[in-house]
Amino acid sequence: NAGVTQTPKFRVLKTGQSMTLLCAQDMNHEYMYWYRQDPGMGLRLIHYSVGEGTTAKGEVPDGYNVSRLKKQNFLLGLESAAPSQTSVYFCASSPLGQGDHSNQPQHFGDGTRLSIL
Amino acid sequence: DAKTTQPNSMESNEEEPVHLPCNHSTISGTDYIHWYRQLPSQGPEYVIHGLTSNVNNRMASLAIAEDRKSSTLILHRATLRDAAVYYCILRRGNEKLTFGTGTRLTIIP
Repeated sequence: NAGVTQTPKFRVLKTGQSMTLLCAQDMNHEYMYWYRQDPGMGLRLIHYSVGEGTTAKGEVPDGYNVSRLKKQNFLLGLESAAPSQTSVYFCASSPLGQGDHSNQPQHFGDGTRLSIL
Repeated sequence: DAKTTQPNSMESNEEEPVHLPCNHSTISGTDYIHWYRQLPSQGPEYVIHGLTSNVNNRMASLAIAEDRKSSTLILHRATLRDAAVYYCILRRGNEKLTFGTGTRLTIIP
């Protein structure tokens, strides 16, 4: 059982280039999330999805776009990379939960380390 | 969002219990207390969560104060693999997780 898989693990981009980070989960989870973590800081939510075909903005959405065309995949796009987007990006997923048991743990991938020169 | 306060860092000896404190004086009645940890170069990992009663699982125990304004994560017997940053987070239902800077736990062999 792979859990949450992120590709690529490392990437170096030049300013202005575009790229897509892929997150795949095999746990049939409804919710998926993209976070970024800068040195010495906690994770900040970029975008999230509560189901296939839906996306919503998180705390720091500017400069990023996302898509959830398939339930198991959540893509994070950078259309024109900037040095300020140098960070470690984490994807997470969680199940829907039922009734009062809606507090479902999030399962995280191991991150994508992105450097923008 | 209700906030939590944790010490920046703590040290503990290997094979001894560790008590990681968290203050959340503005917690609301529907906020659950979640703990995650992040090992070096890895994504966060769920540890435990609770609402009012103390909770135990295979990883740790969570002791919640009667007034719910503070809680303590207890690692019963620390190993070197427990060295990580531990995050205490308040969460309502399936709302997003808001991570602070957590407590960096160092285990001394």
